[in-house]
Amino acid sequence: DAGVIQSPRHEVTEMGQEVTLRCKPISGHDYLFWYRQTMMRGLELLIYFNNNVPIDDSGMPEDRFSAKMPNASFSTLKIQPSEPRDSAVYFCASSLSSGWDEQYFGPGTRLTVT
Amino acid sequence: AQSVSQHNHHVILSEAASLELGCNYSYGGTVNLFWYVQYPGQHLQLLLKYFSGDPLVKGIKGFEAEFIKSKFSFNLRKPSVQWSDTAEYFCAVWGGATNKLIFGTGTLLAVQP
Repeated sequence: DAGVIQSPRHEVTEMGQEVTLRCKPISGHDYLFWYRQTMMRGLELLIYFNNNVPIDDSGMPEDRFSAKMPNASFSTLKIQPSEPRDSAVYFCASSLSSGWDEQYFGPGTRLTVT
Repeated sequence: AQSVSQHNHHVILSEAASLELGCNYSYGGTVNLFWYVQYPGQHLQLLLKYFSGDPLVKGIKGFEAEFIKSKFSFNLRKPSVQWSDTAEYFCAVWGGATNKLIFGTGTLLAVQP
């Protein structure tokens, strides 16, 4: 398996623009997680899905952030409108069978909002 | 609220030195514990994990960690570091109350040749 795939790897956008980050989990994994990593706050869980259903979105910073998982092999994290403080590395991870099992991380998307 | 503390934010060692990175958590119930590593330019990957049984767990690349329940700690150790161990190390804890993995803020380890 190719592992967790994320695109794009780098994104530079202007404040106010819509940003969409994409993730393809490992085939067969039932759980998908979106994390944000910043120097100030470290690695934070934004939202996670089980069998394509959002289970916990309490980490989503505000209404500008939304995430979807239309099928088992694809998820998106959207920021609309984007702000400079959204600049961070966004990681997607998936796990096989349970929320507490080993998580496999993608390479991340480095987002810069100017 | 459940939290994970890594007190060493930045550690610099010479090759062959011994390493110990601290990790403490605040949750009194059953926990599953993890150490992840992020090498420069790479994604996070699992170093080792503890679910139950022997509190001394061994991971990849000669790393080990000891779970001390009474101290709420899960410190990472390696007897002799190498330059290739230069990376950022994250402690993570899953506790049943939150049903999600909480990460520490990470420790950046730089090993000088």
